[in-house]
Amino acid sequence: LAKTTQPISMDSYEGQEVNITCSHNNIATNDYITWYQQFPSQGPRFIIQGYKTKVTNEVASLFIPADRKSSTLSLPRVSLSDTAVYYCLVGDGVMRGSSNTGKLIFGQGTTLQVKP
Amino acid sequence: NAGVMQNPRHLVRRRGQEARLRCSPVKGHSHVYWYRQLPEEGLKFMVYLQKENIIDESGMPKERFSAEFPKEGPSILRIQQVVRGDSAAYFCASSPFHGGSEETQYFGPGTRLLVL
Repeated sequence: LAKTTQPISMDSYEGQEVNITCSHNNIATNDYITWYQQFPSQGPRFIIQGYKTKVTNEVASLFIPADRKSSTLSLPRVSLSDTAVYYCLVGDGVMRGSSNTGKLIFGQGTTLQVKP
Repeated sequence: NAGVMQNPRHLVRRRGQEARLRCSPVKGHSHVYWYRQLPEEGLKFMVYLQKENIIDESGMPKERFSAEFPKEGPSILRIQQVVRGDSAAYFCASSPFHGGSEETQYFGPGTRLLVL
């Protein structure tokens, strides 16, 4: 069962780039890395998912080194509204094309506080 | 949140009463997951259901908790004889299908249960 470790909290200022690193030393060969964002009193929201190298969408970028034992979520030019908890997940054996149950394993996440 | 509906949003029960939490997945999604979140913690998987079937209930307490996802209607998480320790936010997530390229789980806004 792949376990993730990420910083408990981070502070940043508006306009800065924020990088949140997550370690997952026991990631399985076919596992994908997924990041979710959660605002207070709301459900988690999918941000980005990747397998290796770099993935970019309109919200964030995800950098994954060749050994896949860690990943870095990059948020460009954060604003106050990016203050939230960010979860790095390596699903319980979730892999594309598998028949696993797909349950997501959430850690404590990283609480990002963006200051003006 | 891509259209997952949960109700009620807030539920207050006295010890010993029953709590019924409802989840309507995104239209066309046949996979439903329930998670529980205690204050200051990450989400914990409870149960995964497909239409009329429980696929994985490994995270659900053996007693007092049950879940269903009937052919017609919403998924229901039922907690009998609630205790104060059941106070938490309960999130439902749905996905279009499992094992393919669209495994992203979309979360609802949650139901906050308070047991007095």
